[in-house]
Order: sequence, then C-alpha cells, then structure tokens
Amino acid sequence: GAVVSQHPSRVICKSGTSVKIECRSLDFQATTMFWYRQFPKQSLMLMATSNEGSKATYEQGVEKDKFLINHASLTLSTLTVTSAHPEDSSFYICSARDGPGFYNEQFFGPGTRLTVL
Amino acid sequence: AQSVTQLGSHVSVSEGALVLLRCNYSSSVPPYLFWYVQYPNQGLQLLLKYTSAATLVKGINGFEAEFKKSETSFHLTKPSAHMSDAAEYFCAVLDGGSYIPTFGRGTSLIVHP
Repeated sequence: GAVVSQHPSRVICKSGTSVKIECRSLDFQATTMFWYRQFPKQSLMLMATSNEGSKATYEQGVEKDKFLINHASLTLSTLTVTSAHPEDSSFYICSARDGPGFYNEQFFGPGTRLTVL
Repeated sequence: AQSVTQLGSHVSVSEGALVLLRCNYSSSVPPYLFWYVQYPNQGLQLLLKYTSAATLVKGINGFEAEFKKSETSFHLTKPSAHMSDAAEYFCAVLDGGSYIPTFGRGTSLIVHP
C-alpha cells in the first residue's frame, strides 16, 4: 500500500512555543489530507480536512488559530500547534487520500507524539 | 449521522483461541464499514472493508468480518489468536457524502501466552 510519513515522531516542547508537524505522501499524490488527534486509550478525533491549495476545513470545536494547517503541495501538509500548552499534549495522526471518492483509500501516517511541558 | 459502537474496551484471549471483536453500526443508508488495527505508537492500518459486494469479508493477517444487516453488526473474527495480534482495533463507518470515516472508541486486544 501507499506510504504516509510524519515528522517528527516525537516532540517535547515548552509551554508557549509553536510546533510544526509534517505529513508527506511518499509514493502518491494526496488530493486530500486529514489531521486527527488521539488521546490515550481513545478513538481518533478528526480535527480538520485539507485539500491541496485551499484552506482547511476544521471540525466543530477545533480552534483554527491554534492549529494551523497548510497543504501547500500534493505531497505535503503541515500542522502547526501555536503557543502550545500542556493540554495540547496528544498523539497527532495524519492521513492522506489519493482522490475524492469512496474507492480512494485513506492511508495513515505513523503519528507524532507531542508533549508540552 | 452514521456511527459505530464497539462493545468492550478490552478483550482478552489466550494464544490460539478465537478472537471476536464486536462492532454495531447506526446508519440510515447502506453503510460502508471498515476495521483498522493500530499497534503501539503507530498509525492505523486497514484490515478489511465492507463495500456491499459480499457479506463475509476477508482481510489481512487472517481476520474476517461478517456484515449482518438484521443485527446491524460487523463483528471482526480470527480463528486462532497470535501474540502479534495484540493491538488496538477500530471499527469505522464511512460518511457517504464526504467519504470521511467515523471511528468507534476502539477495542484493545490482549493475547495471553
């Protein structure tokens, strides 16, 4: 199957700093990328959907000024957690899809563990 | 809105025993259903998906799931558990408009030697 990578895999930062997480589709062009947040022992919560070259669509309750998403190319999307606080500590997972339809499978990255001190 | 419910946050089995992970769906239209597996500190991997072509769906690693409309269920099974099957398993239903999956809360499979 197709491969989606995330960088970094783990990041520890101080409260108040900003952290950027990259998501790349390695062997296909991703028309749509998704960002999820996962709390320990819980399910994935969709944060936002981004299409290449356009603004991300955020789910209800997700602060768009807090979680900046950029999908600048068909192989790269970034999530920037601005002015991070301890409550932002979580496991962030991106996924990518190579088309808009049902038969376009969604491939998941390995996740990024963010710890805010 | 479509949703899935996974019964049991933890399932514990002995190596070699039958694995049964339960998933019930709520959908007003024919659903598209998925099972994903997540190993510790990793992303999700697709195990299998139901697309209405056949009610019994075979996936990777020896897993299969049966779609039962009368019971609104899509339970995941494997005849004989391996230690390597220990992981978190998520059932998901696909939204027919956006084609974005909604995940259940997950079931942690524990395999004892």
